[in-house]
Amino acid sequence: EIVMTQSPATLSVSPGESATLSCRASQSVDSNLAWYQQKPGQAPRLLMYGASTRATGIPARFSGSGSGTEFTLTISSLQSEDFAVYYCQQYNYWYTFGQGTKLEIK
Amino acid sequence: QVQLVESGGGLVKPGGSLRLSCVASGFTFSDYYFTWIRQAPGKGLEWVSYISATAATRGNGDSVKGRFSISRDNAKNSVYLQMDSLRVEDTAIYYCARGSTTRLDWFDPWGQGTLVTVSS
Repeated sequence: EIVMTQSPATLSVSPGESATLSCRASQSVDSNLAWYQQKPGQAPRLLMYGASTRATGIPARFSGSGSGTEFTLTISSLQSEDFAVYYCQQYNYWYTFGQGTKLEIK
Repeated sequence: QVQLVESGGGLVKPGGSLRLSCVASGFTFSDYYFTWIRQAPGKGLEWVSYISATAATRGNGDSVKGRFSISRDNAKNSVYLQMDSLRVEDTAIYYCARGSTTRLDWFDPWGQGTLVTVSS
């Protein structure tokens, strides 16, 4: 099983600033990585796939990068609606998720 | 618009069975792969099962192999998850999600989820 490890577990950032979330795979997943956003009481929403391609309707302040085992999701100019839990997911070999990063207001 | 609506969750005793349903609308259901993902209370996401567009291929995660079975009815725009021999650790919100037309990669969109509680 490919283990996905996200860091940090919790990230405190002020609105208007940028946030950088990390995701590491236990073995290479090429660019077969997706990011999701989940708000309390809601289902996850796809943000990014192919490590760096934004899903339909996702604002340009969200960007993804990386390949192989190291990936990053960057959110610039944080808006109030961006504070949520973020999950990475690999689909190179079956499907596994990271444990999530909670992005909270500082 | 594209929508997935799950149903069938509830309270069941350990060793019992439950069948979840997911009804899709707003797109050509028969063209797409589908999957079930679950989330235990306050925990992260775990992939459970998938089915191809024609139902020719299916797969389950290790934690549910031999106990859960996925199926679909393209005439009813529905995908199902039959859950047998349920355990306390199967307690979770179960989400239905759509894959692509050619394979299951990322999941988009997701339904709102249905809660399954396994307890005596």
